[in-house]
Amino acid sequence: DVKVTQSSRYLVKRTGEKVFLECVQDMDHENMFWYRQDPGLGLRLIYFSYDVKMKEKGDIPEGYSVSREKKERFSLILESASTNQTSMYLCASSLIGRNEQFFGPGTRLTVL
Amino acid sequence: GENVEQHPSTLSVQEGDSAVIKCTYSDSASNYFPWYKQELGKRPQLIIDIRSNVGEKKDQRIAVTLNKTAKHFSLHITETQPEDSAVYFCAASLTRIQGAQKLVFGQGTRLTINP
Repeated sequence: DVKVTQSSRYLVKRTGEKVFLECVQDMDHENMFWYRQDPGLGLRLIYFSYDVKMKEKGDIPEGYSVSREKKERFSLILESASTNQTSMYLCASSLIGRNEQFFGPGTRLTVL
Repeated sequence: GENVEQHPSTLSVQEGDSAVIKCTYSDSASNYFPWYKQELGKRPQLIIDIRSNVGEKKDQRIAVTLNKTAKHFSLHITETQPEDSAVYFCAASLTRIQGAQKLVFGQGTRLTINP
């Protein structure tokens, strides 16, 4: 059974803080993704990675960066958090060549 | 790039009736169309998908239809039950030779089944 975990379910940070969101998957998936979910906007792709140290920008990468030093771990970094980054953040993973993405439980981030 | 529009944003049906959610996409090269279900407080999970070489696919009470000419696809749920209440997301994807399959999601539909 695929398991994707995220480091926190709820997180409260202050404007200007550096924020790290961690995602770990235990099924040896090559692909990993970070989305943000906002009401009425669906899931929007921030960044994704198809291999260790490889990354590609998604549709809304501004204000975010990512790190993938190990295959099982994909980190989302907010260099200087802003209130408009208050959102639900979802991580997902998939096997190379396969379409189905498996999601983590999400991190609800509030930036004050 | 690809753009996916989903309608309606909310849908309320009586238990036992059918529900239909529709999506349109912009990139005619897209060839994979999944539907994800997200129950309250839980993670999205794939419930059904269809590829562009197929016009319809069924799995028990759920079905998906695809019209490539019109670039739209729909989710059909028959004999709805309370456990069908959730937010449903459609998505579209273009197969890439290298790298990850990138999904573009619709805005979501909140489906409520009334007893």
